[in-house]
Amino acid sequence: EVQVLESGGGLVQPGGSLRLSCAASGFTFSSYAMSWVRQAPGKGLEWVSTFSGSGGSTYYADSVKGRFTISRDNSKNTLYLQMHSLRAEDTAVYYCAKNYGSDPGGAFDIWGQGTMVTVSS
Amino acid sequence: DIQMTQSPSTLSASVGDRVTITCRASQSISSWLAWYQQKPGKAPKVLIYKASSLESGVPSRFSGSGSGTEFTLTISSLQPDDFATYYCQQYNSYWTFGQGTKVEIK
Repeated sequence: EVQVLESGGGLVQPGGSLRLSCAASGFTFSSYAMSWVRQAPGKGLEWVSTFSGSGGSTYYADSVKGRFTISRDNSKNTLYLQMHSLRAEDTAVYYCAKNYGSDPGGAFDIWGQGTMVTVSS
Repeated sequence: DIQMTQSPSTLSASVGDRVTITCRASQSISSWLAWYQQKPGKAPKVLIYKASSLESGVPSRFSGSGSGTEFTLTISSLQPDDFATYYCQQYNSYWTFGQGTKVEIK
């Protein structure tokens, strides 16, 4: 079964850091772009970042550029999102999603269940 | 940046109704558009990609059309399981979601 599973969410103080992980299974992980999408409480979906499946290209939303870093370990079938300088407005459920293709990857066909990140003092 | 605007924001309908949701892009995105369904507390689920291609396993009552800047998602006969929030997404240049359309019971 094709699936992705996020972990690493939690409560963090403003200005703090957190690293999310996304474990993938059931498909050739290295062949596909992978993405992070977030959803603030009661709000819509916001694309955060994408890592291509080939060539190592990374893409970021302006709202997180310079603060978040996406990476992947193809040997572990795992995607990461390192978040620094966290703000209250980063509070959201963070979803990991598999793209249909490799680079830039297209739409998202497989989603995880999400992991909650709360930024509060 | 490409902006996506959905209308309406909320739609009240009855089981059996034909429902249409519109999505407009701030510039041409060719056919690089997807539609997602999301239920409360759940992850989004892709329904349509490349504007009109039905994802495997999605009921045929869902259809998508359009190209350029104007797109529609149509549910031919609304079923109880279809009450949810629907999002369009462009992937012509980076990725942008519309603000969502909530389909509620009339």
